[in-house]
Amino acid sequence: DQQVKQNSPSLSVQEGRISILNCDYTNSMFDYFLWYKKYPAEGPTFLISISSIKDKNEDGRFTVFLNKSAKHLSLHIVPSQPGDSAVYFCAASGLQAGNQFYFGTGTSLTVIP
Amino acid sequence: DAGVIQSPRHEVTEMGQEVTLRCKPISGHDYLFWYRQTMMRGLELLIYFNNNVPIDDSGMPEDRFSAKMPNASFSTLKIQPSEPRDSAVYFCASSPGTPKYNEQFFGPGTRLTVL
Repeated sequence: DQQVKQNSPSLSVQEGRISILNCDYTNSMFDYFLWYKKYPAEGPTFLISISSIKDKNEDGRFTVFLNKSAKHLSLHIVPSQPGDSAVYFCAASGLQAGNQFYFGTGTSLTVIP
Repeated sequence: DAGVIQSPRHEVTEMGQEVTLRCKPISGHDYLFWYRQTMMRGLELLIYFNNNVPIDDSGMPEDRFSAKMPNASFSTLKIQPSEPRDSAVYFCASSPGTPKYNEQFFGPGTRLTVL
């Protein structure tokens, strides 16, 4: 059973516009969320995280929003750049949810120059 | 540091053969994870170790899969016998602290194809 879901397998955005990647989770015990970015033939690399005590965390062009009541988080990239083209994984963990991260299936972002 | 090192990068084998994947974690990291990536299920945790001791292997699909960590700098994931449905990318990751709230550092992965 997939506890972390990314329902959009792919997304295409024009360079300079905003990219919005979405993630839903089912386990209310999750209290820590991360986004990883993965280029072809490489392992995922950490991008940004957010704790459940916050509803927003920003790092440069990347902002993650958390809506706990909806069990939903999103990653905003503004402005999008061609180098952002990659697969983005959402992951969640929590003290009561086991000592591990649960990953989504990923969203492949293509930024068109 | 060179990061997490995995070998081989690519492995093609025939059904029924034994496959061994290798991982060297980042020095000083206490946790080591093995993941499998497929299109349908994304990144699935197979097993993880803390200080060389297996903690949770509930993600290991079946008895054909086994993992060991004989020391702090080396781990193996073995599939015996391999089957075509095992074809996937296998990632090793390590973490400096409890995986609940610490970033995991991933290796480049091993792409396994079982014919």
